[in-house]
Amino acid sequence: QVQLQESGPGLVKPSETLSLTCTVSGGSISRDAWTWIRQPAGKGLEWIGRIYSSGTTNYNPSLKSRVTMSVDTSKNQFSLNLNSVTAADTAVYYCARDTGVLAVAPLGNVFDIWGQGTMVTVSS
Amino acid sequence: DIQMTQSPSSLSASVGDRVTVTCRASQGISRYLNWYQQKPGRAPKLLIFLTSTLQGGVPSRFSGSGSETDFTLTISSLQPEDFATYYCQQSYSTPRTFGQGTRVEIK
Repeated sequence: QVQLQESGPGLVKPSETLSLTCTVSGGSISRDAWTWIRQPAGKGLEWIGRIYSSGTTNYNPSLKSRVTMSVDTSKNQFSLNLNSVTAADTAVYYCARDTGVLAVAPLGNVFDIWGQGTMVTVSS
Repeated sequence: DIQMTQSPSSLSASVGDRVTVTCRASQGISRYLNWYQQKPGRAPKLLIFLTSTLQGGVPSRFSGSGSETDFTLTISSLQPEDFATYYCQQSYSTPRTFGQGTRVEIK
C-alpha cells in the first residue's frame, strides 16, 4: 500500500526558500505523477504543481516564478522548493499521488493518496 | 484558470438527512470533476472521480452527477462520520483548481 510522508522545516524566514520532501513508500515513484497542494489555515486547497518521474513538471502560473520541483527516483522522493516566501505562504503543505484513471491522462487524473500534511509557517 | 464555485459554503443537517452540494465550473469541463472529503486536521480523501465513479471503499450513500459546468454531490442519508468539508476539483485542465469547500455541520 502506497504511503506518502512530507518532511522539512516547519518555520521559514521571510524572503527565504521553503524546501519540502515527500517520501513515497510501498510503491514506485516511477509510475504516476506527484503533486503538491497547500492549504492556509481555515481556507481552501491550492494546487501548486506536479512532477513526473521523468522530471517533467507543470506549475500553477500563480506560483510558477517561485516554484521548483524535483524528483529523486533512487530515493523514491520528490521535492518542492518555493523561494522568496512571505507570510502568505504559511499553510499546510500536502504531497499527493496524481494518478491517471483514463488512457488520456493527465486528463481526468485524481489525487488518490495524500500525505498527512506538514505545517509551514513563514515568520521571522 | 477554471474557477470552481461551490454552494452552499456551509450547511447544517441531521443524521439521516439527504444532503446536496453543488459545484459550478466557469467553463465546460465535460465529466472531469472529482470530489474530496476533508475532516479537521486530516488530509483530503478522494470520494468520487469522473463526476460519478465512487472511489474504492466509499459508501454507496455518496453519489455524484452532472456534466460540463454543473455538478452535484449527494449524500442520501447523512451519517455521523459524514460531517466534514467537501471540495470539488476539476481535472480538465492545468492548473487544477478546487472549489472553496462546503462544510457540513451537525444541526
